[in-house]
Amino acid sequence: AQKVTQAQTEISVVEKEDVTLDCVYETRDTTYYLFWYKQPPSGELVFLIRRNSFDEQNEISGRYSWNFQKSTSSFNFTITASQVVDSAVYFCALSEARRAGSYQLTFGKGTKLSVIP
Amino acid sequence: NAGVTQTPKFRVLKTGQSMTLLCAQDMNHEYMYWYRQDPGMGLRLIHYSVGEGTTAKGEVPDGYNVSRLKKQNFLLGLESAAPSQTSVYFCASRRDRLSEAFFGQGTRLTVV
Repeated sequence: AQKVTQAQTEISVVEKEDVTLDCVYETRDTTYYLFWYKQPPSGELVFLIRRNSFDEQNEISGRYSWNFQKSTSSFNFTITASQVVDSAVYFCALSEARRAGSYQLTFGKGTKLSVIP
Repeated sequence: NAGVTQTPKFRVLKTGQSMTLLCAQDMNHEYMYWYRQDPGMGLRLIHYSVGEGTTAKGEVPDGYNVSRLKKQNFLLGLESAAPSQTSVYFCASRRDRLSEAFFGQGTRLTVV
């Protein structure tokens, strides 16, 4: 079965600090996709990134970067120079692509990030 | 571009009452999902559908039923609401299992 673990329940940082959100996953599939979503205080779920299991290149988008390491089954998310607007709950998710009958998108429990001005 | 629309946004039910939550998507997506979100529990999958006329159980299906009579709609029913079903419910859709999911705005349900 697929599983996503976000061990950090809550993190608080001071504005302009860098912060890394951890995501560890479990899957038996050889092909899978990983995702990050942001849920700001307003409640909607915002898609941030999708990464497939064959692409281990790190990705950077502005202040956001993602580190995918297949060897440790991790897909960590780093925010550089954090801002108050980054305060949100962040979810990591996993979808298997080849295992027969697997159609679920499984989420971790989320990490609540508070950026203090 | 509406995306995924959930109806209603808020609802208060008395224990034992029934209700249906409607999810509509206009992206012609095959896959649709219902999740519930509770404090400290993340998003837990209730039921999902991989196409019109098909449904399947997720992680926490008890007390809920679903139907997908039309491709664009996915209904979640509570036959006899219980206080344990107080939660925020999210509907999501996606094109296939390789793609990202798009979420509705959520329905905050309180059962008293």
